[in-house]
Amino acid sequence: QKEVEQNSGPLSVPEGAIASLNCTYSDRGSQSFFWYRQYSGKSPELIMFIYSNGDKEDGRFTAQLNKASQYVSLLIRDSQPSDSATYLCAVKGNFNKFYFGSGTKLNVKP
Amino acid sequence: EPEVTQTPSHQVTQMGQEVILRCVPISNHLYFYWYRQILGQKVEFLVSFYNNEISEKSEIFDDQFSVERPDGSNFTLKIRSTKLEDSAMYFCAIITRSNTDTQYFGPGTRLTVL
Repeated sequence: QKEVEQNSGPLSVPEGAIASLNCTYSDRGSQSFFWYRQYSGKSPELIMFIYSNGDKEDGRFTAQLNKASQYVSLLIRDSQPSDSATYLCAVKGNFNKFYFGSGTKLNVKP
Repeated sequence: EPEVTQTPSHQVTQMGQEVILRCVPISNHLYFYWYRQILGQKVEFLVSFYNNEISEKSEIFDDQFSVERPDGSNFTLKIRSTKLEDSAMYFCAIITRSNTDTQYFGPGTRLTVL
């Protein structure tokens, strides 16, 4: 059973701060990692994906991957109230099957 | 962003009834998925298609569930004899041929079993 673990939160940060979201996964052979944002009652939307160890930046978002520690994180710089949502970590396994974490709820306070 | 539509947006049914949920993905998809998300819980994989055939099924996808392509363009998820615990959001999702890194989700169907 492939597991993806996230702290459920809520994580509360003030507007303008950096939000740090973390995820661990159980399958050491996993190669592809994804971060989704999900607003209440809506479908997940992809923020970014990462395949290689290290950092990947896209605008205010930075994904970090450490395969040795089986750890992937998402940093959100200059957090805005509109970033308040649940952030889902997902791992792609064999046969393009995706495994999702239960998500971390982020609250950005004005 | 590729268009994936789902109908209905909200379905209310009585326990024991059958429901059919529909999804229409764009035509150039490579993989197709059905997921379930019980309120407050994680997105759970149900079943996937590749080349118009089921490629993977989860342990959740038991005899209560079935999937069809009634006219070659849309997918249906049938839930027979619904139970209270089937109440959830049901999402379909695709991976396209042009961008195999990204999974696009439909807006979802909220199923409420009374």
